[in-house]
Amino acid sequence: QKEVEQNSGPLSVPEGAIASLNCTYSDRGSQSFFWYRQYSGKSPELIMSIYSNGDKEDGRFTAQLNKASQYVSLLIRDSQPSDSATYLCAVSGGGTSYGKLTFGQGTILTVHP
Amino acid sequence: GAVVSQHPSWVICKSGTSVKIECRSLDFQATTMFWYRQFPKQSLMLMATSNEGSKATYEQGVEKDKFLINHASLTLSTLTVTSAHPEDSSFYICSADQGLAGPDTQYFGPGTRLTVL
Repeated sequence: QKEVEQNSGPLSVPEGAIASLNCTYSDRGSQSFFWYRQYSGKSPELIMSIYSNGDKEDGRFTAQLNKASQYVSLLIRDSQPSDSATYLCAVSGGGTSYGKLTFGQGTILTVHP
Repeated sequence: GAVVSQHPSWVICKSGTSVKIECRSLDFQATTMFWYRQFPKQSLMLMATSNEGSKATYEQGVEKDKFLINHASLTLSTLTVTSAHPEDSSFYICSADQGLAGPDTQYFGPGTRLTVL
């Protein structure tokens, strides 16, 4: 069974700090990795996608992927109160699950002023 | 680009009735759309993969006769919850792969909140 694990939190950081969100996955055949942000009562919004080992930066967000360790993370620099949300890690594998996303349970992030 | 809409945004119905939810890709064509369900304080669970012009593929444990999916065009997929019961109350979200971003990149609709009385 394919699993994606996240620390449910809540993770609380002060405004301006770096928030670090982590995710591990069980399927070594996974090829695509995503971070989505979900505000309460809303649907997920794509933040980052990453496909190869290493870091990928987009503005205040950096995704890190380590396929050997089956680990993907998201760093949010200069955290803002508007970043307070649930962050969902999603993984897509190859084979019969191609195209399907498996989500982690999400990490609740709170950025306090 | 990559806008996905859903209608209705919320619906309240009586137990035993059927509810249809529409999912549209507004600025792109989507051969494949996905339907998810999310219960309060839980993550998204994939229900089925909707394929244009063919039958949907349901995930294990999802009743295909209860959750009818039709993908009649490249921009529209519908989910019909038949004979809805209170336990079907949930947040239903569709998504589509625009095909222009990286592999497997899905963009989500705003969701439909279903309450069955």
